Amino acid sequence: AQTVTQSQPEMSVQEAETVTLSCTYDTSESNYYLFWYKQPPSRQMILVIRQEAYKQQNATENRFSVNFQKAAKSFSLKISDSQLGDTAMYFCAFMKPYNNNDMRFGAGTRLTVKP
Amino acid sequence: DTAVSQTPKYLVTQMGNDKSIKCEQNLGHDTMYWYKQDSKKFLKIMFSYNNKELIINETVPNRFSPKSPDKAHLNLHINSLELGDSAVYFCASSQEAAPPYNEQFFGPGTRLTVL
Repeated sequence: AQTVTQSQPEMSVQEAETVTLSCTYDTSESNYYLFWYKQPPSRQMILVIRQEAYKQQNATENRFSVNFQKAAKSFSLKISDSQLGDTAMYFCAFMKPYNNNDMRFGAGTRLTVKP
Repeated sequence: DTAVSQTPKYLVTQMGNDKSIKCEQNLGHDTMYWYKQDSKKFLKIMFSYNNKELIINETVPNRFSPKSPDKAHLNLHINSLELGDSAVYFCASSQEAAPPYNEQFFGPGTRLTVL
């Protein structure tokens, strides 16, 4: 079974600075998908960014980018120019293709952006 | 317009009661899901339905039963509620879980408290 590990239960960053959230996963698959979801205090789950394992180029969405290290099974999220609205729980998730969209989440990292 | 909606958003009830949480999506998706987020924020899939057919059924007590009257609705019935059922329950939907995968859209969650 695939497992997703987020080793940082809580993190904080000053507004406008950069922060990196860690995620590692365990799989024997060669092709899969990785996601970062954001859950603000409103509880809504919001997709931040996704990465296809067969793509070597790291995904980027505005201030959010990932560092995907396939050999190390690492998928970290970098948030640049942190904003107060980035305060949220962040979940890393893993999905095998052709597997009924079965998505597995890590335990989450609570990020606080301080003014 | 709300894409994935859940009712109620909050539910407080006594142990032993039977309750239902409703989920509706207006995205025209074929697949719907139920997730449970416990007090430690750990998010885990419970069920997945595709065209009214159960395709993922994780190991959950049989007191939990998903019911899909049509592809736009997936309700969660819980019988004989226990204290450990207290959690936030999320509904999600996606296009048919066809290869390789389709993005899931989440509802706002229902916070269930069992007293």
